[in-house]
Amino acid sequence: ETGVTQTPRHLVMGMTNKKSLKCEQHLGHNAMYWYKQSAKKPLELMFVYSLEERVENNSVPSRFSPECPNSSHLFLHLHTLQPEDSALYLCASSQYVDSGNTIYFGEGSWLTVV
Amino acid sequence: RKEVEQDPGPFNVPEGATVAFNCTYSNSASQSFFWYRQDCRKEPKLLMSVYSSGNEDGRFTAQLNRASQYISLLIRDSKLSDSATYLCVLWGAAGNKLTFGGGTRVLVKP
Repeated sequence: ETGVTQTPRHLVMGMTNKKSLKCEQHLGHNAMYWYKQSAKKPLELMFVYSLEERVENNSVPSRFSPECPNSSHLFLHLHTLQPEDSALYLCASSQYVDSGNTIYFGEGSWLTVV
Repeated sequence: RKEVEQDPGPFNVPEGATVAFNCTYSNSASQSFFWYRQDCRKEPKLLMSVYSSGNEDGRFTAQLNRASQYISLLIRDSKLSDSATYLCVLWGAAGNKLTFGGGTRVLVKP
């Protein structure tokens, strides 16, 4: 399945670097999400976009900056991260936000901050 | 109390056996319930929705008990390929967004 694609799949970055994660969905969905999954912790919702408008920011530090240029693309810009930010970052999409629709995940971007 | 609680496991299951596990939730306003499956180092994928009357999909049976606020998943005739982490997911409990449990790990062994 290639409904939601993420790049890069793996990223190692230093604490002073700036990098970006990219997500693209080919499902015609209106809602896109960034989740963080750390070891032995539940998925944490970071950001929600509905038709390119950010509708939720779950108290995420400003070193994470999302961008949604259109309803098919979502970026997560990373700047001066900390080692504890190392995790799997999952992009997802659903038909609509604020509904019980099925959510489809990308394969994730494994981030290591050194 | 956590919004969604799951026994992290692992549940070690002999191949061909039946395994069942629950997920409890704290907010009675939860409206929709799902089981997602996550293989090691992969993304979560929808396994099945959970309906009020209970539902079955092949070897998988899901139940919802609103009175006691839990959902369950039962896997019959376990296959090696059933080894995964099973995530309980709720919608409607907190601001109309999905809430994920920490997952229950199942290991099916020959």
